[in-house]
Amino acid sequence: DIQMTQSPSSLSASVGDRVTITCRASQGISSWLAWYQQKPEKAPKSLIYDASSLQSGVPSRFSGSGSGTDFTLTISSLQPEDFATYYCQQYNSYPLTFGGGTKVEIK
Amino acid sequence: EVQLVESGGGLVQPGGSLRLSCAASGFTFSIYAMNWVRQAPGKGLEWVSAISGSGGNTYYADSVKGRFTISRDNSKNTLYLQMNSLRAEDTAVYHCAKVRGPAAVDYWGQGTLVTVSA
Repeated sequence: DIQMTQSPSSLSASVGDRVTITCRASQGISSWLAWYQQKPEKAPKSLIYDASSLQSGVPSRFSGSGSGTDFTLTISSLQPEDFATYYCQQYNSYPLTFGGGTKVEIK
Repeated sequence: EVQLVESGGGLVQPGGSLRLSCAASGFTFSIYAMNWVRQAPGKGLEWVSAISGSGGNTYYADSVKGRFTISRDNSKNTLYLQMNSLRAEDTAVYHCAKVRGPAAVDYWGQGTLVTVSA
């Protein structure tokens, strides 16, 4: 199984900050990576697929990059509604696997 | 508008069974693969199972293989998850999720809570 490791597990940031979350796969997954956002007691929301493609309706301050084993999610200017937990997921092969999550909190 | 509405969750004793349903609307259900993803209380997301658009291909996490069965009825636009031999560690909110492209999720249901407890 492919293990997905996210870092950091949590971070504190201020509105307007640039935030970067990393995700590392235990083996190469090409660009078969997605990012999701989840707020407390809510269903996840899809942000990015194929490592860098933005889902429809997602603000352009979100971006993704990387290929192979190392990936990043960047929020260029953190907004109040962005405080949430973020997950990466690989879909290179079954079983599909998620990272452990990164909680973005208000500083 | 894509809508995914899960139902069928509840309280069940260890060793019991439950069938979850997910009613889909707003897209051509039969051409898209679907997933079940769960989240235990206070924990992260865990992929459970996937099924192709035709239903001909199914995939399972090792933690549920042999106990859970995913299926779909394309005439009813409904996804199912039959869960047998339930364990306490299966307690979670179960989300159905529509897949775009290879296997990335683009839409999620709100989820249904399954509690396995005596």
